[in-house]
Amino acid sequence: DAGITQSPRHKVTETGTPVTLRCHQTENHRYMYWYRQDPGHGLRLIHYSYGVKDTDKGEVSDGYSVSRSKTEDFLLTLESATSSQTSVYFCAISESGQARNGYTFGSGTRLTVV
Amino acid sequence: AQSVTQLGSHVSVSEGALVLLRCNYSSSVPPYLFWYVQYPNQGLQLLLKYTSAATLVKGINGFEAEFKKSETSFHLTKPSAHMSDAAEYFCAVTDNTGTASKLTFGTGTRLQVTL
Repeated sequence: DAGITQSPRHKVTETGTPVTLRCHQTENHRYMYWYRQDPGHGLRLIHYSYGVKDTDKGEVSDGYSVSRSKTEDFLLTLESATSSQTSVYFCAISESGQARNGYTFGSGTRLTVV
Repeated sequence: AQSVTQLGSHVSVSEGALVLLRCNYSSSVPPYLFWYVQYPNQGLQLLLKYTSAATLVKGINGFEAEFKKSETSFHLTKPSAHMSDAAEYFCAVTDNTGTASKLTFGTGTRLQVTL
């Protein structure tokens, strides 16, 4: 989607290796989110950020960490990837902390852990 | 905590038929509600939103949804399905706990449109 890009789009990695996914936005939005999408579960929130260096956990944060050193970038790190972290990861941004206008989503990163 | 339930993981309709995708929400406060659509290998696109203004909300591509507080529902409808409507649809509700509102999503409904 315009204004938000995720990289890489696809990645295959081995169990136990660290992985970092990047979300980059050009909208200057304060709020950024990482979700994972799995069949039968919809989208579940991993972590979110409400400003530079300000982050908080979502419902499925175990095994993940995030960092936001500047407004435009929000990084998701799997410290030691496991097969259960095979998923499609979506980044989203929001101008409002009340999510009144919903989110704008990136195109996703498909991660396979073998 | 806020939550949404989408009834039916798969819905199949004929082209030209009515589309009805069901969503019920649970919220302790007046919610914001959303419907998103996801086409294959793409991200989610906002279809429409309810933010406590009109209860009948019109969105893109001819879709609309009606907020019914008494039934805690926010069902998505379209009078006449088109082949291009085949996609997965997600209902979402705002969760205002913590430092920012978060969207909580349903498990999704895959819409199939047949000739």
